[in-house]
Amino acid sequence: EDQVTQSPEALRLQEGESSSLNCSYTVSGLRGLFWYRQDPGKGPEFLFTLYSAGEEKEKERLKATLTKKESFLHITAPKPEDSATYLCAAHGNNNAGNMLTFGGGTRLMVKP
Amino acid sequence: EAQVTQNPRYLITVTGKKLTVTCSQNMNHEYMSWYRQDPGLGLRQIYYSMNVEVTDKGDVPEGYKVSRKEKRNFPLILESPSPNQTSLYFCASKRTSGFYEQYFGPGTRLTVT
Repeated sequence: EDQVTQSPEALRLQEGESSSLNCSYTVSGLRGLFWYRQDPGKGPEFLFTLYSAGEEKEKERLKATLTKKESFLHITAPKPEDSATYLCAAHGNNNAGNMLTFGGGTRLMVKP
Repeated sequence: EAQVTQNPRYLITVTGKKLTVTCSQNMNHEYMSWYRQDPGLGLRQIYYSMNVEVTDKGDVPEGYKVSRKEKRNFPLILESPSPNQTSLYFCASKRTSGFYEQYFGPGTRLTVT
């Protein structure tokens, strides 16, 4: 069974304090690893797709990387507006109907 | 603006009273799906549709129905809602059935008393 585990569950940072969020996956034949940002009471907002180990993508203060077992979301010099829950999801060969397996999310709080 | 819309955004209803949550996308996406999000359980897929008139069950389909008569619309039907269907519901779409990102709607918060 495919599994996606995110850590930590919650992370408090001071503004400007860089850190990384972890997404560990056990997926048969990874076809895509997705990162989303979700604000309270809103729908997940797409950030990145990674398809193969070694791939990296960047957007403003965020950088996503992928290995054969994990993905990291690096946040450089975060600002309070980066506070949100970050979700990762995997799509593997066994995922019938293109179903994504989601992790539980990391709730990030950035204090000014 | 490219978007997925859902209505209503908030709904409080009673056990057994049939309801429909609408979902519409303006991106000409073939693939659409419904998820529910519950504390501690994360996002779980209810139903999905690869294209018009093609639907199938996701992880947690019990108590739900869907239909896909038009490409842009994918309504979620609860024929006899129960309190355990109280949840936050999201509709999502993506361009084809390939390995692409899904775009989510704003969510519908449903409470069944």
